[in-house]
Amino acid sequence: QVQLVESGGGVVQPGRSLRLSCIGSGFTFSGFGMHWARQAPGKGLEWVAVISHDGAIKYYADSVRGRFTVSRENSWNTVYLQMNSLTFEDTATYYCAKDLPALANWGQGTLVIVSS
Amino acid sequence: DTVMTQTPLSLSVTPGQPASISCKSSQSLLYSDGKTHLSWYLQKPGQSPQLLIYEVSKRFSGVPDRFSGSGSGTDFTLKISRVEAEDVGVYYCMQTTQPPHTFGGGTKVEIK
Repeated sequence: QVQLVESGGGVVQPGRSLRLSCIGSGFTFSGFGMHWARQAPGKGLEWVAVISHDGAIKYYADSVRGRFTVSRENSWNTVYLQMNSLTFEDTATYYCAKDLPALANWGQGTLVIVSS
Repeated sequence: DTVMTQTPLSLSVTPGQPASISCKSSQSLLYSDGKTHLSWYLQKPGQSPQLLIYEVSKRFSGVPDRFSGSGSGTDFTLKISRVEAEDVGVYYCMQTTQPPHTFGGGTKVEIK
């Protein structure tokens, strides 16, 4: 069955960078777009970014555009989220999700805490 | 950006009774492919979100038929015909018609 496993979260100072990874299994990874979404503690879901199956098309939320970059390596069944210039408002659990239909399958999430 | 507005904020339901959640978008979610990319998710306490409904009314694999979705254009509804204890959590609508994609604010469902 579809499995998505995120990693790379942790505690980071404001202004620093972090790269999240998400490994997919149980499906043809190169055939599907992949999303990142996040959830601040006690808050609702916020969509962050999406990358097409071949990496050619990428879209971002206004709140992260210019700071975050989504990429993928299909030979490793992995999608990445490079997060630069982190702020306190980026503190959240970050989820990756497989596309089609909609956000069909989600990982367990990885927690990012931005703290000085 | 497309704003998604969910009501109510919370719902307390007696088991076996129906429940309904509304989701309104600030612009039409009908895409050029002829499909309306409105989906519903349930986040149970302590868990990751799970897809319930996609393209307004299509149930995802394994989702019980007591869940149904309806609507068009900018107005959408999720209905639970008979609420069960396992349905507690926060429900979110989401649009993936127009980037940036956006979620509604969520509706918390609890059992009386």
